[in-house]
Amino acid sequence: DGGITQSPKYLFRKEGQNVTLSCEQNLNHDAMYWYRQDPGQGLRLIYYSQIVNDFQKGDIAEGYSVSREKKESFPLTVTSAQKNPTAFYLCASSPPGLASGELFFGEGSRLTVL
Amino acid sequence: AQSVTQLDSQVPVFEEAPVELRCNYSSSVSVYLFWYVQYPNQGLQLLLKYLSGSTLVESINGFEAEFNKSQTSFHLRKPSVHISDTAEYFCAVSASGGSYIPTFGRGTSLIVHP
Repeated sequence: DGGITQSPKYLFRKEGQNVTLSCEQNLNHDAMYWYRQDPGQGLRLIYYSQIVNDFQKGDIAEGYSVSREKKESFPLTVTSAQKNPTAFYLCASSPPGLASGELFFGEGSRLTVL
Repeated sequence: AQSVTQLDSQVPVFEEAPVELRCNYSSSVSVYLFWYVQYPNQGLQLLLKYLSGSTLVESINGFEAEFNKSQTSFHLRKPSVHISDTAEYFCAVSASGGSYIPTFGRGTSLIVHP
C-alpha cells in the first residue's frame, strides 16, 4: 500500500545528542514537509521541500536540519542546538498537480529528550 | 500570510448529541480550507475540504462544514456524535495562487461521553 512511513515511532535521547528521524514515502509525491506538534499549539512547520535537492526553512527551523537527496526520503535531524526538542514530529507530503495544500501525513515520531 | 483560529480548545459532549467545532481564518487572498482529524499518537487524516463550488462539504462519516466567506469561517458540525468521534480536530487554510503550504489552527479536542 502507498503511504508515508516514519521511524522510529518512539525515541528517547539524552540531552546534547543529535537525533535523525526518518520519513519515507512511496506515493510519488514531489513536496514533503516536517511539522512539530506540541500540546495546545497545533502544528508548526519546520522545513519543507518541493523538489529533490532543494528545501526551505519553515517557521521554526532553528536547531533542525534536513536533506532531500531522493524523492522518496526527507530525513529530519534534531540537533543539540534545539533548546526544547521533546515533541511529536509529523512528516507529510503533497502530490503534484494538487495545488491546494492538502497534505498526507505519516504516523508521527515521538521524541523524548531526557 | 494567512492565519487560523480555533475558538475552543476542548469540546465535551454526550453521545448522540450534536456538535459544532468552530474555525475562523484570515487571509488577504482566496483560500482553500481543510479539517483534519487526529487520533491519539497517530498522524492527521483529512476529514473534508473546501476548494471551490458548493460551500457545504461533507465527509463520509457524517461530518459537514460550511464555508462562509463573509464571516471568514469554516465550522465543522455533526448532528449526532459517537464515542469513536473522540479525537483532536485541526482546521487548516492555504492561500490559492501562492505556495499552498497550509497553516494549521491549534486544534480542538472533542471528547464524547457515554
